[in-house]
Amino acid sequence: NAGVMQNPRHLVRRRGQEARLRCSPMKGHSHVYWYRQLPEEGLKFMVYLQKENIIDESGMPKERFSAEFPKEGPSILRIQQVVRGDSAAYFCASSPNAGTGEGNEQFFGPGTRLTVL
Amino acid sequence: AQTVTQSQPEMSVQEAETVTLSCTYDTSESDYYLFWYKQPPSRQMILVIRQEAYKQQNATENRFSVNFQKAAKSFSLKISDSQLGDAAMYFCALRGGTSGTYKYIFGTGTRLKVLA
Repeated sequence: NAGVMQNPRHLVRRRGQEARLRCSPMKGHSHVYWYRQLPEEGLKFMVYLQKENIIDESGMPKERFSAEFPKEGPSILRIQQVVRGDSAAYFCASSPNAGTGEGNEQFFGPGTRLTVL
Repeated sequence: AQTVTQSQPEMSVQEAETVTLSCTYDTSESDYYLFWYKQPPSRQMILVIRQEAYKQQNATENRFSVNFQKAAKSFSLKISDSQLGDAAMYFCALRGGTSGTYKYIFGTGTRLKVLA
């Protein structure tokens, strides 16, 4: 069973361009989380999605950022009109179910490092 | 609000010695999980150990063990017989369970250096 896949692993954008980050959860997982890690900091929650639904976007910046998890295909984190402050590592995690029971922990992907020039 | 605090930005340990990394947290939930993650230079988040809040027994995983003090809201990680491969950033994380979202709250991390 392949782990959580993220692509691209590295992404370079110029200010004002769009960035699209993709996350394929583990097989059988229908819950996806996105986290952002700024340099020398811990991971910070951005958004929690289930298939076709955004459950919690309390950590998402109000502008320029959006996320989706369609019925088919990977989850996408989209950043429009990127600025230098968006440079960070973006991690996706998936879990099989919601709840706090055993086996519902989140499995992390390798991250996408976004650099904005 | 839930918070996680790691007050040690950096720690050093001699190879084969023991080191303890500190973590305190705050939550109003009664049902939650605590985790320690290791992040090597590759940036991959590797789960080291997990602790269920309802379990009084401290979790252990080979050379890694925790000291979970629920009343004090403390969750420290002990690494015994430290190895060069243990050098990494270590993050403490909290996951609630009763608020309807299961996001992880991470601390700011402790950079562990292992000296040969």
